[in-house]
Amino acid sequence: ETGVTQTPRHLVMGMTNKKSLKCEQHLGHNAMYWYKQSAKKPLELMFVYSLEERVENNSVPSRFSPECPNSSHLFLHLHTLQPEDSALYLCASSPAAGTTDTQYFGPGTRLTVL
Amino acid sequence: GQNIDQPTEMTATEGAIVQINCTYQTSGFNGLFWYQQHAGEAPTFLSYNVLDGLEEKGRFSSFLSRSKGYSYLLLKELQMKDSASYLCAVWDSNYQLIWGAGTKLIIKP
Repeated sequence: ETGVTQTPRHLVMGMTNKKSLKCEQHLGHNAMYWYKQSAKKPLELMFVYSLEERVENNSVPSRFSPECPNSSHLFLHLHTLQPEDSALYLCASSPAAGTTDTQYFGPGTRLTVL
Repeated sequence: GQNIDQPTEMTATEGAIVQINCTYQTSGFNGLFWYQQHAGEAPTFLSYNVLDGLEEKGRFSSFLSRSKGYSYLLLKELQMKDSASYLCAVWDSNYQLIWGAGTKLIIKP
């Protein structure tokens, strides 16, 4: 595997379900990011991790819970989501956080909340 | 507030040239990215401008004017595979990456 991978690619869940999104980067980077992408809207930064420590949390509802067990893996745990949370969730990585380094993205998880 | 403006959608013909504009109002400036995103796929890096002027990379070129808060992406010899969304993003003075909503480019034969 190369680059940034995400699983699953598609997810349909009810509002009472609990699910997790997984991201893995094979680039040796130290920073990882979660973004939300809704139709015709700018990317919304959700969380930033640098060397497994969360360095940014942009007022994201607590029903989204990130986890970064090591610098190569990032999870987004989901519970009691709302229909408006339906979106494409993108993971990205970069050599370091807080710099102008290029961010490399995974293909995303298309989430539908019923 | 911080803002990036790009056209929502553009249409062009295969073999032609198209220019996608991006204007920004941000708290400071530390560089501007262009990304390409095909439907259902990852955004992929196209270019990075931090100084004024034109950067050419094959069929794609990116221009920056910091004094005008303006950039454009120029695509030449358009191919059907260039149909995608093009995202403009700016690093502000706090190293926050501010994103535009993207321009959907439709290429017609």
